[in-house]
Amino acid sequence: EVHLVESGGGLVQPGGSLRLSCAASGFTFNSYWMSWVRQAPGKGLEWVANIKQDGSEKYYVDSVKGRFTISRDNPKNSLSLQMNSLRADDTAVYYCSRVIGGYYGSGSDYNRYYYGMDVWGQGTTVTVSS
Amino acid sequence: EIVMTQSPATLSVSPGERATLSCRASQSVRSDLAWYQHKPGQAPRLLIYDASTRATGIPARFSGSGSATEFTLTISSLQSEDFAVYYCQQYNNWPPALTFGGGTKVEIK
Repeated sequence: EVHLVESGGGLVQPGGSLRLSCAASGFTFNSYWMSWVRQAPGKGLEWVANIKQDGSEKYYVDSVKGRFTISRDNPKNSLSLQMNSLRADDTAVYYCSRVIGGYYGSGSDYNRYYYGMDVWGQGTTVTVSS
Repeated sequence: EIVMTQSPATLSVSPGERATLSCRASQSVRSDLAWYQHKPGQAPRLLIYDASTRATGIPARFSGSGSATEFTLTISSLQSEDFAVYYCQQYNNWPPALTFGGGTKVEIK
C-alpha cells in the first residue's frame, strides 16, 4: 500500500529552524516529483515547494524562497523540508504529497503533463511562537 | 501570478441534493485544473484533474466541467461522507507553479 508519513513538526521560536521529513513506502519513490503543501490555521491549502525525481530541480513559493530548502534521499525513500528563519505566518500543518507530473523533451518537442497530487500524508504541525 | 477564486465560501446542502461549486481563474488556465476534497484531520484527496477527468476510485457522482477561467465541480447527490472542504488547483504554469483556490466548505443544511 502506498504511504507517506510526515514527521519533525513542533513548536519553535520566531527565527528558529526545523526540519520536516516524509517517509515514503509502497511505490517507486525516485519516479515521482514530490511536493510540500501547507495549511495555516483557518486557511486553505498552499503549495510550498516541489522537487524533481532526481533532485536536480527545486521550486518554491515566493514567501519561503531563501528560507526553506526541499531535498530528497532516493535510496532512503525520504523527502525533507529544511525550514530556517521561521516566522509566525509559517505556522501550519505541513503535508508531503506525490505528484503525478513532469515533462519531457525540449524546445519545440517540450511536453509537460500533470495529473494531480494523488497521495498525501496525514501532515505534521509546525507552530512558530514565542 | 494566477489567482484562483472559489465561490461560495460555504455551501449548505441537504443529503441527496446536488452541490455546485465554482472556481474562477484570474487568467486562462486552459483545462489545467484539479479538484481536491479535504476533511478535518485527514489527508486531502484528489478528485478531478484536467478539469473533468475523475481520479482513480472517485465515484461518478463527482463531475468537473469548464475551461479557461470558469470551472465547476458538481456533486450530483450528496452523501454524508461528502461534507468537506473542496479546493481547486491550477497547474497551467507547471512546472513548477501550483496554485490553490481558497476553498468551499460544503456543510449539512
